[in-house]
Amino acid sequence: DGGITQSPKYLFRKEGQNVTLSCEQNLNHDAMYWYRQDPGQGLRLIYYSQIVNDFQKGDIAEGYSVSREKKESFPLTVTSAQKNPTAFYLCASTINRDTGELFFGEGSRLTVL
Amino acid sequence: KNEVEQSPQNLTAQEGEFITINCSYSVGISALHWLQQHPGGGIVSLFMLSSGKKKHGRLIATINIQEKHSSLHITASHPRDSAVYICAVSSWGKLQFGAGTQVVVTP
Repeated sequence: DGGITQSPKYLFRKEGQNVTLSCEQNLNHDAMYWYRQDPGQGLRLIYYSQIVNDFQKGDIAEGYSVSREKKESFPLTVTSAQKNPTAFYLCASTINRDTGELFFGEGSRLTVL
Repeated sequence: KNEVEQSPQNLTAQEGEFITINCSYSVGISALHWLQQHPGGGIVSLFMLSSGKKKHGRLIATINIQEKHSSLHITASHPRDSAVYICAVSSWGKLQFGAGTQVVVTP
């Protein structure tokens, strides 16, 4: 079955540590996105990628980094520079950024201790 | 100001009731999405529409492009419909999301 797999589902981190969240899709989608969700707020865009080896900052990119070395994979690193990293992170993909159906992973919940 | 507004923020219904969630947006769009977020956090796409009306089971989505407004209707609601429903719009390659509507359906 085609879909998006995010891991880990839950992650705990000490202050000052970098952590990497995995996002893998087997849908052959070019466009991939990382969103952050905080309680009571809509999804906010961290980074997106329209094609391999290219990615763009979203609205809240500070303290995050990504790579897109393969079409299937779009990992997100939450660095120690991110001031308030505790949140729910969602990865998404679509075949067409204007008219394509959206597919989401199950999310990763990061807690900084 | 959020360019995608949903109402109501919260909604409680009894099983069997008809539910309507509204979404208004202020930008030109190429498509509007209705999404469902389960308590565990995963999100699934319910509808993507750019005009008219779509129906899937007990769910109906409508959009009025001129009025920049969309509605999601749930007929004969059931406790398993309890979730957060999110409206999102595709606008010039960018996705913008509403804050979501928390729906609780009681037996």
